[in-house]
Amino acid sequence: AQSVTQPDIHITVSEGASLELRCNYSYGATPYLFWYVQSPGQGLQLLLKYFSGDTLVQGIKGFEAEFKRSQSSFNLRKPSVHWSDAAEYFCAVGPGGGNKLTFGTGTQLKVEL
Amino acid sequence: GAVVSQHPSRVICKSGTSVKIECRSLDFQATTMFWYRQFPKQSLMLMATSNEGSKATYEQGVEKDKFLINHASLTLSTLTVTSAHPEDSSFYICSASPSRDRETLHFGNGTRLTVT
Repeated sequence: AQSVTQPDIHITVSEGASLELRCNYSYGATPYLFWYVQSPGQGLQLLLKYFSGDTLVQGIKGFEAEFKRSQSSFNLRKPSVHWSDAAEYFCAVGPGGGNKLTFGTGTQLKVEL
Repeated sequence: GAVVSQHPSRVICKSGTSVKIECRSLDFQATTMFWYRQFPKQSLMLMATSNEGSKATYEQGVEKDKFLINHASLTLSTLTVTSAHPEDSSFYICSASPSRDRETLHFGNGTRLTVT
């Protein structure tokens, strides 16, 4: 069965500091990996996705993520965080083809000014 | 592109009544849509897969008679919470993927249901 682990429930960073949100997955085949962001009371917005090819993927809002098969990880990074990045971040894995996703428990990001 | 619209964004209903939530794909057709439920400060849990023109597929533990799903057209799926109870209060989110990008799910903005 597929699963996603986001070990950090809460993270606080200062504005302008770098950010890394961790994501580990368990999947029997080549995974399709996603990062979504959710603002309070809102739906999910896709930040980036990885299917194949270059293991470092670029997303919107200056985010990037690196797929490391040997570590079963897909960590999200941003070199300089902005106050507007405060939100909940979800990592997800799925089989692709528009099929259902399995989500991690999310990481709540707080940005200190 | 690939916009998913959900309505209403918030609804408050009395215990015992039914509530219908609509999920529309605005600029693409979706033969499959997914309904998720999110409890406060928790992750999204898949409730069911909505299939256009056929019965929905429910995840284990989800009552199909409680959460009625209808996917009557390629752009609309509805979730009806029947005989709602306070424990049904939650955030419900739908998602779908366009055929031109079938690998990616796009989500609606969710519906906050409060049952009093």
